[in-house]
Amino acid sequence: GAVVSQHPSRVICKSGTSVKIECRSLDFQATTMFWYRQFPKKSLMLMATSNEGSKATYEQGVEKDKFLINHASLTLSTLTVTSAHPEDSSFYICSASQARGQVLAFFGQGTRLTVV
Amino acid sequence: AQKITQTQPGMFVQEKEAVTLDCTYDTSDQSYGLFWYKQPSSGEMIFLIYQGSYDEQNATEGRYSLNFQKARKSANLVISASQLGDSAMYFCAMGVQGAQKLVFGQGTRLTINP
Repeated sequence: GAVVSQHPSRVICKSGTSVKIECRSLDFQATTMFWYRQFPKKSLMLMATSNEGSKATYEQGVEKDKFLINHASLTLSTLTVTSAHPEDSSFYICSASQARGQVLAFFGQGTRLTVV
Repeated sequence: AQKITQTQPGMFVQEKEAVTLDCTYDTSDQSYGLFWYKQPSSGEMIFLIYQGSYDEQNATEGRYSLNFQKARKSANLVISASQLGDSAMYFCAMGVQGAQKLVFGQGTRLTINP
């Protein structure tokens, strides 16, 4: 299967600072990338969908100014958690699809964010 | 709206036995896909198997097979000859044609005992 790399795998930051998480497709061009959040022992919650070259589509209840998503190239999407607070601590995981409309997506390794 | 239901929060199975993880879904769409992912403690989501709504045969991938019963709207995952490394969370997911988004079930924690 296709390889998606997510970095960093773990990050600890101070409350009030911003954190950037990268999601890269290593061996294919990802026209669409998805960002999920997962609370402990819970399922994945879709936060937003980003298509290369256009603005991300956020799910209801997700603050777009809080979670900035940029998909500047066909191999890279970034999620920036701005002015992070302890309640933003969570597991964030990205996935990427090779074509618009293709549902099969491959996931990155995930990033565990801890805000102290 | 699409919905995935996994009714087994946890499953305990002896090594080398077969195990079936349940998944039922609800959608009004005619064209959709069903997925199973494995999430070990490291957190990564590993794609296991896919079944399209128009596929007439059940999907198989090595020790994984998907028991697709369209009329009952179920897509159970069967793992044959379970191994200790199969211990993980397993998520069933559905994608609808053209919508791109995947909807996930609540997950089942599978524990394989030696």
